Amino acid sequence: QQQVKQSPQSLIVQKGGISIINCAYENTAFDYFPWYQQFPGKGPALLIAIRPDVSEKKEGRFTISFNKSAKQFSLHIMDSQPGDSATYFCAASIRGSTLGRLYFGRGTQLTVWP
Amino acid sequence: GAVVSQHPSWVICKSGTSVKIECRSLDFQATTMFWYRQFPKQSLMLMATSNEGSKATYEQGVEKDKFLINHASLTLSTLTVTSAHPEDSSFYICSAPDRSFAEAFFGQGTRLTVV
Repeated sequence: QQQVKQSPQSLIVQKGGISIINCAYENTAFDYFPWYQQFPGKGPALLIAIRPDVSEKKEGRFTISFNKSAKQFSLHIMDSQPGDSATYFCAASIRGSTLGRLYFGRGTQLTVWP
Repeated sequence: GAVVSQHPSWVICKSGTSVKIECRSLDFQATTMFWYRQFPKQSLMLMATSNEGSKATYEQGVEKDKFLINHASLTLSTLTVTSAHPEDSSFYICSAPDRSFAEAFFGQGTRLTVV
């Protein structure tokens, strides 16, 4: 059973536009929600992360919005650039656990047209 | 930030041979490391959790005799694909959380092709 559901599967955005990727989870024990960016042939790299005690976190052009009651969180990429074209994964984990295991969404392939 | 180095970045091997992939935490100690497998255009699938000084914990459906994991030190975990077959061809990625499990760092990945 997919612990974290991610949509859309693919996204095409024009340069300068806003890219929005959504994720939902069921396990209320999750308390850490990172987003990873992955380029072809590379490992994932942490982009931005949020904890459930805040509703929004912004780092440069990247913003996470978090809705605890709806058990949903989303990534917004403002002023999208061709260099942002990559696969994005949302994830969730229980930081209080000793394993730090991440549960990944299925990924969103973002293409930004120049 | 912390760095996890994975080696090799790609390998081609003949069917029936074994391949070893190394995962090193360069500037922090990792008592736990994770090994993932990723098929093209798919998400990361956790294969096993590597624990320093003890046996690895494998996910359901992952053959422990085929995917041997050794975590002999606090900075090194290895994944050995034994008697590799073409269906084992995939992208393998390791990950290590920092000591406080506050953040997970990923290796560069290893593209395995079995011919």
